[in-house]
Amino acid sequence: NAGVTQTPKFQVLKTGQSMTLQCAQDMNHNSMYWYRQDPGMGLRLIYYSASEGTTDKGEVPNGYNVSRLNKREFSLRLESAAPSQTSVYFCASSEYSGGAEQYFGPGTRLTVT
Amino acid sequence: GQQVMQIPQYQHVQEGEDFTTYCNSSTTLSNIQWYKQRPGGHPVFLIQLVKSGEVKKQKRLTFQFGEAKKNSSLHITATQTTDVGTYFCAGCSVTSGTYKYIFGTGTRLKVLA
Repeated sequence: NAGVTQTPKFQVLKTGQSMTLQCAQDMNHNSMYWYRQDPGMGLRLIYYSASEGTTDKGEVPNGYNVSRLNKREFSLRLESAAPSQTSVYFCASSEYSGGAEQYFGPGTRLTVT
Repeated sequence: GQQVMQIPQYQHVQEGEDFTTYCNSSTTLSNIQWYKQRPGGHPVFLIQLVKSGEVKKQKRLTFQFGEAKKNSSLHITATQTTDVGTYFCAGCSVTSGTYKYIFGTGTRLKVLA
């Protein structure tokens, strides 16, 4: 089992460019999450999907969109990247929302110039 | 909105000394989880506390959940160099049947040999 995988590992974008971060899990989990991590800010929830077919906003959703493509995959899209979106992005999954251990992917380090 | 504060932000200890990090929520929590993130790595689940006043131990680590379910602590006895990393709490609250986790800002632990 690979667990949670994320692509790419690193990405540099210019302001205004768009990109999609990919996440997949092979644990048959129902819930998936996207977080961003900035120095001194901990992990902040961007969007989550409690179950296949549903998505909901987290603490910092502005500038992002998500797609729960199927039970395995949950993608995060930046339509028009801004320097403030420079961060490390983590995808996570859990068996269910609200009380199950979250498994994190290795992260994507994104720099927007 | 819900906030989860974690103190201290940093802690340097000599190997063998004890370490404690504290987590405080502005609202009553359904449960709280603790994660550890090694430098350059991703968060890894340590434990979940659900009941008021709950205390759980994992070898040298002791986790407590407050009686009011608004605060929690992680205590490490006799730290080792392998304990180095950032420790995060994640508080779960329920709103209209939807569960959301808010992460604390983390405590970065350095252990001096």
